[in-house]
Amino acid sequence: KNEVEQSPQNLTAQEGEFITINCSYSVGISALHWLQQHPGGGIVSLFMLSSGKKKHGRLIATINIQEKHSSLHITASHPRDSAVYICAAWYQGAQKLVFGQGTRLTINP
Amino acid sequence: DAMVIQNPRYQVTQFGKPVTLSCSQTLNHNVMYWYQQKSSQAPKLLFHYYDKDFNNEADTPDNFQSRRPNTSFCFLDIRSPGLGDAAMYLCATSRDRVSYEQYFGPGTRLTVT
Repeated sequence: KNEVEQSPQNLTAQEGEFITINCSYSVGISALHWLQQHPGGGIVSLFMLSSGKKKHGRLIATINIQEKHSSLHITASHPRDSAVYICAAWYQGAQKLVFGQGTRLTINP
Repeated sequence: DAMVIQNPRYQVTQFGKPVTLSCSQTLNHNVMYWYQQKSSQAPKLLFHYYDKDFNNEADTPDNFQSRRPNTSFCFLDIRSPGLGDAAMYLCATSRDRVSYEQYFGPGTRLTVT
């Protein structure tokens, strides 16, 4: 079954803290996306990964193919990072993007 | 530069009054997708076009239709909106069916009164 599970569902932290959001998926994916959605807003693509690690500014995404697990890290978190972060996996067989439920991140000043 | 554009960003319609949402793209991608995202839920794929080939998801209600008059534009028509159709509607594109990189538009938030 094509599934994507994220944890935690909600995360509140203080400004400056190191943030980790986790995503696990089933066998059969070609790539994994990390997406950001601000309240009431559309979706912005942060990363697309099929292996290894990617970094953009304070954001880092990693994927472990054997463990079927990906993480999104935010260093030196800031209130403007407050958003919903969504993990989505492209399942090659279904040729469909399957979304996780999202992680609602709140960074307090 | 905007690559996937959705208009309007906010749409209010009355119960039962047909409404059309618009998506355009400057990427010349072959595939265009429509997703529905209800509050605090993951986006749900409604249908997609591969070129002019329309592909409906099995559980998409008949109330939802789509048109793609050319490569750049795709429309979502809701024939008789119900209160349960209030949601964010997201358009996305990809180069082709096997390309797993999707580009999302900003979404249209639909309110049904």
